[in-house]
Amino acid sequence: EAGVAQSPRYKIIEKRQSVAFWCNPISGHATLYWYQQILGQGPKLLIQFQNNGVVDDSQLPKDRFSAERLKGVDSTLKIQPAKLEDSAVYLCASSPPTENYEQYFGPGTRLTVT
Amino acid sequence: QKEVEQDPGPLSVPEGAIVSLNCTYSNSAFQYFMWYRQYSRKGPELLMYTYSSGNKEDGRFTAQVDKSSKYISLFIRDSQPSDSATYLCAMEAGFQKLVFGTGTRLLVSP
Repeated sequence: EAGVAQSPRYKIIEKRQSVAFWCNPISGHATLYWYQQILGQGPKLLIQFQNNGVVDDSQLPKDRFSAERLKGVDSTLKIQPAKLEDSAVYLCASSPPTENYEQYFGPGTRLTVT
Repeated sequence: QKEVEQDPGPLSVPEGAIVSLNCTYSNSAFQYFMWYRQYSRKGPELLMYTYSSGNKEDGRFTAQVDKSSKYISLFIRDSQPSDSATYLCAMEAGFQKLVFGTGTRLLVSP
């Protein structure tokens, strides 16, 4: 079974630029999550999708972050404009229809904002 | 106060030692408790999960939950250098939303 795919793996941008990350979840997983993991901290949920609908985006900084999951499969997370404090690893995870507490994570995208 | 507290370490032990990793939490509504392992530059991977209070064993790993004390533990027996990683506790806060601890970095020396 293929795991959660993410791209790119690394990205370096200057502040005020925009950036987009892509995620393809495990086949059949209806729930998709985007997390932000700052160095030395645990992952923090940014947004949770159930199929192509948003379940929770309470911690998403909506003035600069946006996410979409068209057709209920892959997803993109965008930051525009980026700030220095956005430097982090952005993790995508998905969970199966049953036992949704089991989340499977991708390798993450490491973003550096200079 | 954070919802989930975890000592960041690092915790250094010799190969073969028994390792104890712990988390405390404040929200009594948490029902599912998980331990994830994260190797450097990788995503977290689920090690074990338990529902409510009690113990669960899987090979060299044992997870314990004490809801009365709001305290969970992960024990690793006969630790190996390959166990060197960051261990994250996580708790399900409803609607499949997980709240993670900061992670404890474990170093097992040969």
